[in-house]
Amino acid sequence: AQKVTQAQTEISVVEKEDVTLDCVYETRDTTYYLFWYKQPPSGELVFLIRRNSFDEQNEISGRYSWNFQKSTSSFNFTITASQVVDSAVYFCALSLSHNTDKLIFGTGTRLQVFP
Amino acid sequence: EPEVTQTPSHQVTQMGQEVILRCVPISNHLYFYWYRQILGQKVEFLVSFYNNEISEKSEIFDDQFSVERPDGSNFTLKIRSTKLEDSAMYFCASTPADSQVYNEQFFGPGTRLTVL
Repeated sequence: AQKVTQAQTEISVVEKEDVTLDCVYETRDTTYYLFWYKQPPSGELVFLIRRNSFDEQNEISGRYSWNFQKSTSSFNFTITASQVVDSAVYFCALSLSHNTDKLIFGTGTRLQVFP
Repeated sequence: EPEVTQTPSHQVTQMGQEVILRCVPISNHLYFYWYRQILGQKVEFLVSFYNNEISEKSEIFDDQFSVERPDGSNFTLKIRSTKLEDSAMYFCASTPADSQVYNEQFFGPGTRLTVL
């Protein structure tokens, strides 16, 4: 069975601190996709990134970076120099090889960034 | 930029009543989904729909739930007799289902259902 675990329920930081959100996944499939979504207080789901299981290159997008390690089944997300606007719930998700497969979400990590 | 829309944004209903949540997927998309998020919890898959039939459904999607694409543009989720525990945010999503590339799911803004 597939599973996504986000062990950190809530993280609080002060603005400009770096913060890493952890995501550990379980699947027996060799082809899969991993995602991060942001859910701000307004409630919508904002897509941040997708990685496939064959691409372990780390990715950086502005203040955001992602570290994918198949050896530890982890797909961690780091926000550098956090800002108050980063305050949200962040969800990690897994989808299997079929390109229309459902998303399996983790329980989310609530990030609060204080000024 | 095309987007998935959902109406209403908030629906309040009495226990036992039927509700229909509406979604308009992106126009050239072929694969549709409903997800549910109980307040403060994770987003959970309910059902996927393709070619006018259900592709997959979760254990949550019991006989009280049904989905339909009545007119080629709307995609609806019906709950026949709502329970208190149906109170949640319901997200619709769609994807082009192009077999050549992976297609991410585009989410609507959600409908918050409150059952009293």
